[in-house]
Amino acid sequence: SQQGEEDPQALSIQEGENATMNCSYKTSINNLQWYRQNSGRGLVHLILIRSNEREKHSGRLRVTLDTSKKSSSLLITASRAADTASYFCATDEINYQLIWGAGTKLIIKP
Amino acid sequence: DTAVSQTPKYLVTQMGNDKSIKCEQNLGHDTMYWYKQDSKKFLKIMFSYNNKELIINETVPNRFSPKSPDKAHLNLHINSLELGDSAVYFCASSQVAGYEQYFGPGTRLTVT
Repeated sequence: SQQGEEDPQALSIQEGENATMNCSYKTSINNLQWYRQNSGRGLVHLILIRSNEREKHSGRLRVTLDTSKKSSSLLITASRAADTASYFCATDEINYQLIWGAGTKLIIKP
Repeated sequence: DTAVSQTPKYLVTQMGNDKSIKCEQNLGHDTMYWYKQDSKKFLKIMFSYNNKELIINETVPNRFSPKSPDKAHLNLHINSLELGDSAVYFCASSQVAGYEQYFGPGTRLTVT
């Protein structure tokens, strides 16, 4: 099955800084979603952006979507130690089946 | 209350054995899924069920079989376990296919 691509694979920043991670996909989509996975846990849904939306906010999260470039970015502002996790994007590219990126591992240093 | 639960959390077994992983959701969702996450964290869908009917079946070995006794449960049976089956298996559910999914805590399967 197709696989989305995320970059960077890993990101380490100081607490309080902003973190940006990117996701690219291959075909037309209905929506794109971002999830967080803490070590040893299941994934938690963060935000969903529809294909006709360009930007969406949720608390300290800001997601953008550029369908012409088939890419999305997730910005976490004023990062905290608790934001340390892996972040995945997912798109419903095929028959409403979610296709997942490889994830970005984010480490927030105190 | 746990929304999506899985048992067991850890499963260690030998090659050739048959095992099952159970999943239950109390969200009233219509669609449930099984995913496999390998050591590199790639997440691959294995099955999904909508109202007890299989709607997606990825090209997984037929040693894997999902069984759904009712809308709230989707169990995963694995026959003749192989070393390559070692991974973390996640159950998930959603109200509408293609939208927000709720994940269980995962089952770490180790085949020796």
